[in-house]
Amino acid sequence: DQQVKQNSPSLSVQEGRISILNCDYTNSMFDYFLWYKKYPAEGPTFLISISSIKDKNEDGRFTVFLNKSAKHLSLHIVPSQPGDSAVYFCAASETGANNLFFGTGTRLTVIP
Amino acid sequence: EAGVTQFPSHSVIEKGQTVTLRCDPISGHDNLYWYRRVMGKEIKFLLHFVKESKQDESGMPNNRFLAERTGGTYSTLKVQPAELEDSGVYFCASSQVGLTYGYTFGSGTRLTVV
Repeated sequence: DQQVKQNSPSLSVQEGRISILNCDYTNSMFDYFLWYKKYPAEGPTFLISISSIKDKNEDGRFTVFLNKSAKHLSLHIVPSQPGDSAVYFCAASETGANNLFFGTGTRLTVIP
Repeated sequence: EAGVTQFPSHSVIEKGQTVTLRCDPISGHDNLYWYRRVMGKEIKFLLHFVKESKQDESGMPNNRFLAERTGGTYSTLKVQPAELEDSGVYFCASSQVGLTYGYTFGSGTRLTVV
């Protein structure tokens, strides 16, 4: 039973515009959330994370928003660049655990 | 710093055969993880080593899967005998201090059982 869900398998965005990737979770014990980016034939690469004590974390063009009441988080990429084209995975964990629960990924295509 | 290395990168075996996947973590990383992604699905946790000890193997599908980490360095994941549903990409990851900055993943081994 999937505890982390990414309901959009794909997303296409024009270069320079904002990309918004969404993620929902069901386990209220999750308190740490991460986004990974994955290029073909490579492993996932850590992008940005957020703890449940925050509702926003920013790193350059990437911002993650967390809505605990809705059990929802999103990743915003502004401005989107062609090099951002990849599969993005949302992941979650709970305090004391070292394993991650991943979503199924969203394939982002940034059109030049 | 060398990254997490996995080999082989691809393996095609027949149902019933045995396959061994290897992972070399980043030097000094005590935590080593195995994950698997079946086609189009989520990346699923298999197990976690701290040094040579299995900390959590709750994600191992069944007893056809055996993971070892001799001497707390590299790790192997053996599938014996392989079944069709074992096909997927097996990722290894390592970390020094748990999840604070995420793990570092290897490129994965794509296993195809025919």
